[in-house]
Amino acid sequence: GEDVEQSLFLSVREGDSSVINCTYTDSSSTYLYWYKQEPGAGLQLLTYIFSNMDMKQDQRLTVLLNKKDKHLSLRIADTQTGDSAIYFCAENRDDKIIFGKGTRLHILP
Amino acid sequence: EAGVVQSPRYKIIEKKQPVAFWCNPISGHNTLYWYLQNLGQGPELLIRYENEEAVDDSQLPKDRFSAERLKGVDSTLKIQPAELGDSAVYLCASSLGQGAFYEQYFGPGTRLTVT
Repeated sequence: GEDVEQSLFLSVREGDSSVINCTYTDSSSTYLYWYKQEPGAGLQLLTYIFSNMDMKQDQRLTVLLNKKDKHLSLRIADTQTGDSAIYFCAENRDDKIIFGKGTRLHILP
Repeated sequence: EAGVVQSPRYKIIEKKQPVAFWCNPISGHNTLYWYLQNLGQGPELLIRYENEEAVDDSQLPKDRFSAERLKGVDSTLKIQPAELGDSAVYLCASSLGQGAFYEQYFGPGTRLTVT
């Protein structure tokens, strides 16, 4: 298909790890991104990964890339209430950024 | 440093009325983008500017939408006339240059409601 696919909703207990999954479409994408959108705000780039990497770690964030399956995941360790937001997976395609529909992360106390 | 500024933040209009959105990008950012974000969706690119030139407007519905970026800094996006289906959030973003390497910085958006 043409769409970047991701699950729409994830509920996680505070302190647990959150894992958000995504399937992208363009095997020639050189960059894959994770953006965060808090209520009433624009998108903020959280992290990105080059297509020649398998993994990238940045503090509590770990990105895993499986190019064969075109699968991208974002793991947030020790999830906090401030992590509550919508997370968008995105790929670059034809010099544009194509976004998924977003995964709403809900934190349980 | 100030981020991308957009105004108004909210706008409610009746269908068939005109509406305009304004964006002030981060100082020094040559590339400016307008995105449309429907409820429950990710942003979709409407138009991209390099300085004052619109280099990609293939997704802009030109029968009712127009945009300009005079002097290569601020930009306005206009809809005339608005339709019910135009209700959405209109996001502006800017970057130092074009291409996937350059991070796009997003404004908070203008939420448009057409009644």
